[in-house]
Amino acid sequence: ELKVEQNPLFLSMQEGKNYTIYCNYSTTSDRLYWYRQDPGKSLESLFVLLSNGAVKQEGRLMASLDTKARLSTLHITAAVHDLSATYFCAVDMYNNNDMRFGAGTRLTVKP
Amino acid sequence: EAGVVQSPRYKIIEKKQPVAFWCNPISGHNTLYWYLQNLGQGPELLIRYENEEAVDDSQLPKDRFSAERLKGVDSTLKIQPAELGDSAVYLCASSLVRGAGQFFGPGTRLTVL
Repeated sequence: ELKVEQNPLFLSMQEGKNYTIYCNYSTTSDRLYWYRQDPGKSLESLFVLLSNGAVKQEGRLMASLDTKARLSTLHITAAVHDLSATYFCAVDMYNNNDMRFGAGTRLTVKP
Repeated sequence: EAGVVQSPRYKIIEKKQPVAFWCNPISGHNTLYWYLQNLGQGPELLIRYENEEAVDDSQLPKDRFSAERLKGVDSTLKIQPAELGDSAVYLCASSLVRGAGQFFGPGTRLTVL
């Protein structure tokens, strides 16, 4: 069974600091996604990572994928308050029709 | 371009009553997903459609849940009868093809009393 684990589950950080959110998954994956969710809102797609070594960046967020380690990271650079949200990773496995989300990382950026 | 549309946005019902949720995906998106999201958790896939065919419904509790996607466009998710534990947000998402990034609707927040 595919399992997706994120850590940390809660993250409080100061503005201007850097931090990394980790997403581990249990079996070989076809692709990995990162989403953002604001309180009471739906999910917004951030990144789709398709292959080993893939790296994508948008503003202060950078996502990477290591399929050998079954690990994806979401790195936050010089955090600002607007980044406060819950971030989810999700893993899609074509061969057995399975797609799972992690539990989410609730990020709070304080001034 | 309009995003994924869901209705209603909120629904409060008493247990044992039926309820239905409606989703209109982004035009041209062949793949449609229904998810359940409990408070403080990630979405859980209930069913995935490729056009009008349900290709992954292994997580759908078939004794009380049903879904359809007539003509491969709009979709309806139904619960009959609803139980207290069904209280959650029901999300619909669509993608051009499976594997592309999914676009999520605003969700329907269901409260079962």
